[in-house]
Amino acid sequence: DSGVTQTPKHLITATGQRVTLRCSPRSGDLSVYWYQQSLDQGLQFLIQYYNGEERAKGNILERFSAQQFPDLHSELNLSSLELGDSALYFCASSVGGLIHETQYFGPGTRLLVL
Amino acid sequence: SQQGEEDPQALSIQEGENATMNCSYKTSINNLQWYRQNSGRGLVHLILIRSNEREKHSGRLRVTLDTSKKSSSLLITASRAADTASYFCATAMYNNNDMRFGAGTRLTVKP
Repeated sequence: DSGVTQTPKHLITATGQRVTLRCSPRSGDLSVYWYQQSLDQGLQFLIQYYNGEERAKGNILERFSAQQFPDLHSELNLSSLELGDSALYFCASSVGGLIHETQYFGPGTRLLVL
Repeated sequence: SQQGEEDPQALSIQEGENATMNCSYKTSINNLQWYRQNSGRGLVHLILIRSNEREKHSGRLRVTLDTSKKSSSLLITASRAADTASYFCATAMYNNNDMRFGAGTRLTVKP
């Protein structure tokens, strides 16, 4: 158990809909990272937040957005969903703000868009 | 796009044998990390090697880094059935707030 929690574990929705994924980092970690893992694209870094502010941006679509709240939990919002958004979404956390630090991954949310 | 490329894509060995996986990358890096993922589950950090290090050990794991060849290898000695998983290398590049993962090596250890 990494100490990172994600909810929900599974999510099934329809094209065009909007969903919110939630992540709680390990106690004491200030950074939260979001990743998407799909069969065709592999594991892709989406975005990093550090202590409430956006720190780094990867291959995140404009339809996706994230935020980190004062209690350091984070939410990833996915809107206008398409079939290709079906994937495993992971959250990770680390102590500091440097992306090359060791990251601790949550169990993931499996999203299926029908 | 992926920065690291692991090979082989899949590896099947008997329990007790050693497993070697390789990772190549394209640009200068700050460090290189290896992660393990059991089927459909979160990644678990195994080991981090900095760009100024050449070799690092952790238990049954040995990682080497050759920055001139832009490659790394992960050796698992005396493998166990419980080592069955996918193994990914991840690179963080200098002056670039990005973390890139390779496509992974799927290791199967037969009891």
